[in-house]
Amino acid sequence: GQNIDQPTEMTATEGAIVQINCTYQTSGFNGLFWYQQHAGEAPTFLSYNVLDGLEEKGRFSSFLSRSKGYSYLLLKELQMKDSASYLCAVRVVPSGAGSYQLTFGKGTKLSVIP
Amino acid sequence: EAQVTQNPRYLITVTGKKLTVTCSQNMNHEYMSWYRQDPGLGLRQIYYSMNVEVTDKGDVPEGYKVSRKEKRNFPLILESPSPNQTSLYFCASFNPNRVQGYGYTFGSGTRLTVV
Repeated sequence: GQNIDQPTEMTATEGAIVQINCTYQTSGFNGLFWYQQHAGEAPTFLSYNVLDGLEEKGRFSSFLSRSKGYSYLLLKELQMKDSASYLCAVRVVPSGAGSYQLTFGKGTKLSVIP
Repeated sequence: EAQVTQNPRYLITVTGKKLTVTCSQNMNHEYMSWYRQDPGLGLRQIYYSMNVEVTDKGDVPEGYKVSRKEKRNFPLILESPSPNQTSLYFCASFNPNRVQGYGYTFGSGTRLTVV
């Protein structure tokens, strides 16, 4: 199975920068996703990394190190609307299965305070 | 508009009364999946389907059934619901042939309460 760890909760100040870490242990790695989820709503796609390095998209960046089983999501210029849960998810291709499995971490609840 | 549609959004039912949650996508995606989300446990996969007539168990399949008779629809069936199936359910789809995936598209969710 897959083991995905991320902090349960974080608090940051409006206008600041926050980094949310995710570590994983898996076989058949086929990419790592970050999703944002506001309470009671569906997750929405933020970023996708399959190769090592940094992917930047506006105020959001995501980094991946496959050798270390590590990723982070960086949020800059925090806004109040960024208060949400951030889900790290790993996609694997199980050996010989010819299928895809997407497994989520338990999520990090980010609170942005004035 | 590309979307995944789940129905109903909210459902309260009694123990043992069979129910179906529908899921439909208009993106011609091959892959569809069902998740449940519970406080402290995150999103857990119930069943997934790689294509028509191809389904497989996820991490928490007990008490659920699915079918995939056509590409666009992937209903979740609870033959005899129990209170421990009270949860928030999400259907998702994606196209595995996309190299740079835009991720999975999720439905709006179904909040199920079994009393």
